Amino acid sequence: DAGVIQSPRHEVTEMGQEVTLRCKPISGHDYLFWYRQTMMRGLELLIYFNNNVPIDDSGMPEDRFSAKMPNASFSTLKIQPSEPRDSAVYFCASSGPVGLYNSPLHFGNGTRLTVT
Amino acid sequence: QKEVEQNSGPLSVPEGAIASLNCTYSDRGSQSFFWYRQYSGKSPELIMFIYSNGDKEDGRFTAQLNKASQYVSLLIRDSQPSDSATYLCAVDNFNKFYFGSGTKLNVKP
Repeated sequence: DAGVIQSPRHEVTEMGQEVTLRCKPISGHDYLFWYRQTMMRGLELLIYFNNNVPIDDSGMPEDRFSAKMPNASFSTLKIQPSEPRDSAVYFCASSGPVGLYNSPLHFGNGTRLTVT
Repeated sequence: QKEVEQNSGPLSVPEGAIASLNCTYSDRGSQSFFWYRQYSGKSPELIMFIYSNGDKEDGRFTAQLNKASQYVSLLIRDSQPSDSATYLCAVDNFNKFYFGSGTKLNVKP
């Protein structure tokens, strides 16, 4: 099991540039989540998908943020244009089918984004 | 009010002692509860999950759940320096996982 794979691991960009973060969930997992982690706000849920369909994007901070999941094995989180306050670690996580109880989240290694 | 509350710590315990980490949550409808460990600069990793009231043990770790009091705890027995990390409590709410801000644990040799 390769786990959740995120790329890139680190991204440094200038304010105003477009940033694209990528995620490959664990095979067979039908839920995919994007989180952002900062010292001040902790882990914040941005958006989650079920069977490639966005279910709840209420955590997306602004229209500058968008996420897609074109197929079961790939998702992207895009920030356009980026701002210094977007600097954070972005985690992708996936989980298996939901029965009576939720399956645990499995996290990728994260992308550390720095916007200068 | 935040959905999940944790004491940020740091909680310092000597090696070999029991570390007790606590978490409260606001949504009575929550059914699934998780504890994650996060080392500095790393991603959260699952330690335990618990769905039913009572205790659940796994090695040196015991999770405790009291739904009436909306309270979840994690006990770490025989604490080791390698247990020093931030421990995150997570609670589900209709498939949305909410995380507490984490408790930093320091285990002193």
